[in-house]
Amino acid sequence: EVHLVESGGGLVQPGGSLRLSCAASGFTFSSFSMNWVRQGPGKGLEWVSYISASTTIIYYADSVKGRFTISRDNAENSLYLQMNSLRDEDTAVYYCARGLGLYSSPNWFDPWGQGTLVTVSS
Amino acid sequence: DIQMTQSPSSLSASVGDRVTITCRASQSIINYVNWYQQKPGKAPKLLIYAAASLQSGVPSRFSGSGSGTDFTLTISSLQPEDFATYYCQQSYSTPRTFGPGTMVDIK
Repeated sequence: EVHLVESGGGLVQPGGSLRLSCAASGFTFSSFSMNWVRQGPGKGLEWVSYISASTTIIYYADSVKGRFTISRDNAENSLYLQMNSLRDEDTAVYYCARGLGLYSSPNWFDPWGQGTLVTVSS
Repeated sequence: DIQMTQSPSSLSASVGDRVTITCRASQSIINYVNWYQQKPGKAPKLLIYAAASLQSGVPSRFSGSGSGTDFTLTISSLQPEDFATYYCQQSYSTPRTFGPGTMVDIK
């Protein structure tokens, strides 16, 4: 069974840093692109970042560009999100999601992990 | 960025009702739209990809249609487990963007 499990969330002060992890199992992790998507409290979904299977292509939402860094370790079947200079508005549940389909063709997110909560507050 | 809008923002329906949710993109996205279902406290779940393809394991009462800028998600006969929030999402360009969601609750 394909499974994604996020970890690393918690309470952090504004300006602080946090590193999220996503452990993948049940599929050949190195063959698939991955994404981070977040959801603020009571809000909708916001795509955050994309990384291709080979790590050669990376994209970020403008709201996190220059502050967040996505990476992956295909040997460890893991995805990461390094979050620096955190702001109140980064408070959200962060989901990792596998990408299916080619990026330049119809593509979609499936499955999603259960999410990890990041709270930025003083 | 491509803006995605959904209507209605919420609806009340009864078990057995036919429900239609509309999603509109700010520019043509051909068929690069996906639909997700989210229940409270849970992760989103893929229902429909590429506008009209039913994800494996999803009941056939769910269907998607549309092309260009206008898309619909239809639930042919609403079941108790379908009460949730539904999001459309475009995969035509970066950044990927989602609609604001449609909450379906019990009448």
